[in-house]
Amino acid sequence: EVQLVESGGVVVQPGGSLRLSCAASGFTFEDYAMHWVRQFPGKGLEWVSLVSWDGYSTYYADSVKGRFSISRDNRKNSLYLQMNNLKTEDTALYYCARDRDNFDYFDQWGQGTLVTVSS
Amino acid sequence: EIVLTQSPATLSLSPGERATLSCRASESVSSHLAWYQQKTGQAPRLLIHGASDRATGIPARFSGSGSGTDFTLTISSLEPEDSAIYYCQQRYNWPLTFGGGTKVEIK
Repeated sequence: EVQLVESGGVVVQPGGSLRLSCAASGFTFEDYAMHWVRQFPGKGLEWVSLVSWDGYSTYYADSVKGRFSISRDNRKNSLYLQMNNLKTEDTALYYCARDRDNFDYFDQWGQGTLVTVSS
Repeated sequence: EIVLTQSPATLSLSPGERATLSCRASESVSSHLAWYQQKTGQAPRLLIHGASDRATGIPARFSGSGSGTDFTLTISSLEPEDSAIYYCQQRYNWPLTFGGGTKVEIK
């Protein structure tokens, strides 16, 4: 059974930093690109970032470019999101999601980790 | 960025009825569109990809159609467990974008 388990979400002040993790199991992690997708309190979904299977290619939404950094460790079956200079508008539930094929859709999702940016 | 507009915002129907959900793109996305179902307290689940291909394990009552800018998700005969928010998503251009969702309520 595919499992994606996110962790690291907390309450942080504006301007702060945070690192999210996603532990994957039940599939060959290194065979898949991986994404971070966030869901705002009003329920809207926003794609955040993508990393290729080997970690060499990364993509970011404009809203996080220059502040967030995605990475992965295939030896540990883990995905990461380093979040710097956090803003109140980054408050959301952050999902780790598996890429179905060739950077297209999200075929497996974790349960999410909540990041709240507030003073 | 490609904007996806979903309608209606809410659909309230009885079990056994047919549900028709719309997703319109601000420019052509060819057939590069997916649909997701999100139940309360759960993560989204992939239903349809490539506009009309059902994902693994998805019941046949769910079907997708359309190409270019206009897409439809049809639930042929609603079951009580179909109560959820449904989102469309395009992968034709970066950034990947989602529609705002349609809430399906079962009377």
